Amino acid sequence: RKEVEQDPGPFNVPEGATVAFNCTYSNSASQSFFWYRQDCRKEPKLLMSVYSSGNEDGRFTAQLNRASQYISLLIRDSKLSDSATYLCVVYRNQAGTALIFGKGTTLSVSS
Amino acid sequence: GAGVSQSPSNKVTEKGKDVELRCDPISGHTALYWYRQSLGQGLEFLIYFQGNSAPDKSGLPSDRFSAERTGGSVSTLTIQRTQQEDSAVYLCASSLTSGGAETQYFGPGTRLLVL
Repeated sequence: RKEVEQDPGPFNVPEGATVAFNCTYSNSASQSFFWYRQDCRKEPKLLMSVYSSGNEDGRFTAQLNRASQYISLLIRDSKLSDSATYLCVVYRNQAGTALIFGKGTTLSVSS
Repeated sequence: GAGVSQSPSNKVTEKGKDVELRCDPISGHTALYWYRQSLGQGLEFLIYFQGNSAPDKSGLPSDRFSAERTGGSVSTLTIQRTQQEDSAVYLCASSLTSGGAETQYFGPGTRLLVL
């Protein structure tokens, strides 16, 4: 079992739709959590950190449930430009100090 | 300011040859990471440098892989006796410090194809 699991998708949604991505992690020692975005043939870029209390950045809302070891990302009012792969990322100090990436969930927003 | 740069952008090599991949991190960033992304796979951690400390090599898949970081800045990832399964995108990232909450900034990657 992979340490960080995501539904690979693809999620195909129309503009304006609300879409939610889920992610689970297996190591309870995980300390920090992030969502990165990766456009086709581009490098990953940080979208947002995920905090226990939940956090919002514009149309994007991230949630963390430590008890269930579950992370989510909600995108409201989807735009064409949101089409990308969304990577769930976990950091735990025991594994050196690198990030552990899920395989990503692909989103395609159409007009 | 300038981001993380990597060279070459693309590299095609023959099985058994050695390759060197270069990474220039963001100026002032003390932490540098190498990852590999194979087709259809997530990013796989390879090696990590922090300042003058010994690197964390726990992710290197075999002893054919090695990396150096000279002067706390530029890093070179070397793959000896390349195999076809080494074909992947090799991504370098840097962060200001090594704290877990630090944002990692990625370079554009080197696409390696081993024939």
